[in-house]
Amino acid sequence: AQRVTQPEKLLSVFKGAPVELKCNYSYSGSPELFWYVQYSRQRLQLLLRHISRESIKGFTADLNKGETSFHLKKPFAQEEDSAMYYCALRKISGGYNKLIFGAGTRLAVHP
Amino acid sequence: DTAVSQTPKYLVTQMGNDKSIKCEQNLGHDTMYWYKQDSKKFLKIMFSYNNKELIINETVPNRFSPKSPDKAHLNLHINSLELGDSAVYFCASSSSSTGNTIYFGEGSWLTVV
Repeated sequence: AQRVTQPEKLLSVFKGAPVELKCNYSYSGSPELFWYVQYSRQRLQLLLRHISRESIKGFTADLNKGETSFHLKKPFAQEEDSAMYYCALRKISGGYNKLIFGAGTRLAVHP
Repeated sequence: DTAVSQTPKYLVTQMGNDKSIKCEQNLGHDTMYWYKQDSKKFLKIMFSYNNKELIINETVPNRFSPKSPDKAHLNLHINSLELGDSAVYFCASSSSSTGNTIYFGEGSWLTVV
């Protein structure tokens, strides 16, 4: 079964500290993974996807197929990074795609 | 603004009522979705339409009925509302021609009292 696991509901760090938001997945095919961010009472926004291998707002994520992980990292957290972060896996179903989300991790960055 | 927009943003209603949430996208996408975010912030897909046709229908009570009058609109009608329907409902859209990245609306906060 396809599944996305984010083991931490809350990650609390101080400004300037490194951040790693964990994401593990299970998928029988070739995975396509995303990170979405949701700031307080706002829409979900695409943060990054593994096929782009990009860095957005200082965040990076590397797909590790051996460990079936797609952890989100940032070397120095900022207060404005405080938000809900969702890891998501694209599943192709009947020729159409849908996102399977993890439960989300709330990142709280303290001054 | 090019976006996915949904109305109303906030809705408080009594149990047993029928309500609708509307969604429109002007991104030219051919696929639209409804996702539900519960009180624990868990997100789950409810429905997906491609070119006005239902393609994904997860295990959702049949009190929930999506309607897509055209490619740019996907409305969600809910009959006989229950307390457990209280959630944030997100509309989203994507296009197979642009890599299928899914873009979300701002959400509709539904509270059933």
